[in-house]
Amino acid sequence: QSALTQPPSASGSPGQSVTISCTGTSSDVGAYNYVSWYQQHPGEAPKLLLYEVTKRPSGVPDRFSGSKSDNAASLTVSGLQAEDEGDYYCSSYTRSNTFVFGTGTRVTVL
Amino acid sequence: QITLKESGPTLVKPTETLTLTCTFSGFSLTGAVGVGWIRQPPGQALEWVALIYETINERYSPSLSSRVTITKDTSKNQVALTVANMDPGDTATYFCVYEQLPGGFNYWGQGTLVTVSS
Repeated sequence: QSALTQPPSASGSPGQSVTISCTGTSSDVGAYNYVSWYQQHPGEAPKLLLYEVTKRPSGVPDRFSGSKSDNAASLTVSGLQAEDEGDYYCSSYTRSNTFVFGTGTRVTVL
Repeated sequence: QITLKESGPTLVKPTETLTLTCTFSGFSLTGAVGVGWIRQPPGQALEWVALIYETINERYSPSLSSRVTITKDTSKNQVALTVANMDPGDTATYFCVYEQLPGGFNYWGQGTLVTVSS
């Protein structure tokens, strides 16, 4: 299985919104609504932001939202803050009953 | 409070077998929730490795399935990962993870960096 495709970088000014895409296939992203998103700061373990495309675990601000259409999912960070800077990864469950991660996107707050 | 902690060697030689142990607390490996491993080579993206559940068959990354085995010891609240025939390309931080939410790994260990070098 190939990694899901994400743009290498994205940026925005404080208060703006940034959207990150995650493109897969009909065997992963397009197969189920089991797409999740993670945020990772340098030297730290990733943190789950969204699961099942749109659901936020307890404690995750509603500035983080997700969507999916066909074989592509996206994460939108609204009201960008300095602490949102970091690496973001998508992940999807697959028809092979495995998981696959995206290539990662580095978000910079200008 | 849910915690996971990885333990094992930090340096292995090429062709050797790596065994990592994840010791967890605050939950039991029951039902449809799983415990698994995700790795991240230095400066690179996350890579899903394996997952184990109470009763469902173990799941492995297709690219690693020939070299990887995941096992559990429910009496000790531990999950182990073995990777055979280690290669410098296996150098990575290995994270133990808990899939408490459907398709979402919401608890992570701190990770352990394993370097493969002679």
